Amino acid sequence: GQQLNQSPQSMFIQEGEDVSMNCTSSSIFNTWLWYKQEPGEGPVLLIALYKAGELTSNGRLTAQFGITRKDSFLNISASIPSDVGIYFCAGHRTGNQFYFGTGTSLTVIP
Amino acid sequence: EAQVTQNPRYLITVTGKKLTVTCSQNMNHEYMSWYRQDPGLGLRQIYYSMNVEVTDKGDVPEGYKVSRKEKRNFPLILESPSPNQTSLYFCASSIVSGLEEGTGELFFGEGSRLTVL
Repeated sequence: GQQLNQSPQSMFIQEGEDVSMNCTSSSIFNTWLWYKQEPGEGPVLLIALYKAGELTSNGRLTAQFGITRKDSFLNISASIPSDVGIYFCAGHRTGNQFYFGTGTSLTVIP
Repeated sequence: EAQVTQNPRYLITVTGKKLTVTCSQNMNHEYMSWYRQDPGLGLRQIYYSMNVEVTDKGDVPEGYKVSRKEKRNFPLILESPSPNQTSLYFCASSIVSGLEEGTGELFFGEGSRLTVL
């Protein structure tokens, strides 16, 4: 099945820095989702996007649904140690399956 | 509390011994799905179900079976487990029905770590 291109694959940042990651697809989606997963746990939904161009925030997290419907990005501002984890995107088309990015592993150095 | 519940969370078994991983959701979702997650390979879909009595193969269905007799339950069955099925498994559900744009939030269970010796 289709996997979304997610970058970067990993990030090592200092506490307090901002983080940016993105996902691209060769196909358009109606919904973009961003998840965080911690070791041994299930993915937790962070942000859901439903309209092209939509910009949505959840605390220090901000995500945007690309105008072309083929991409999305997630920003984390002022990172803290508990932001550590794997972040991944998912795309969905109405009546179709969910497709997932390969994940971005985030390490925050105190 | 809205949730997807999987059991068992951890299981060690031996090759060939049939096992079932249960999945239940309390959100009245039509769509349910099973994934396996392996290092470097991300989430791969095993089977999915758009509604009761409707199931379809995902990307890696070999060696697995599912059933959807009730809306809330979607068990994953390994008839004859093999070591290459050692993995972390996730069940997920969504309200997506194929009828409305803008739906499609997918909720995951906490995962079931399976080891086949």
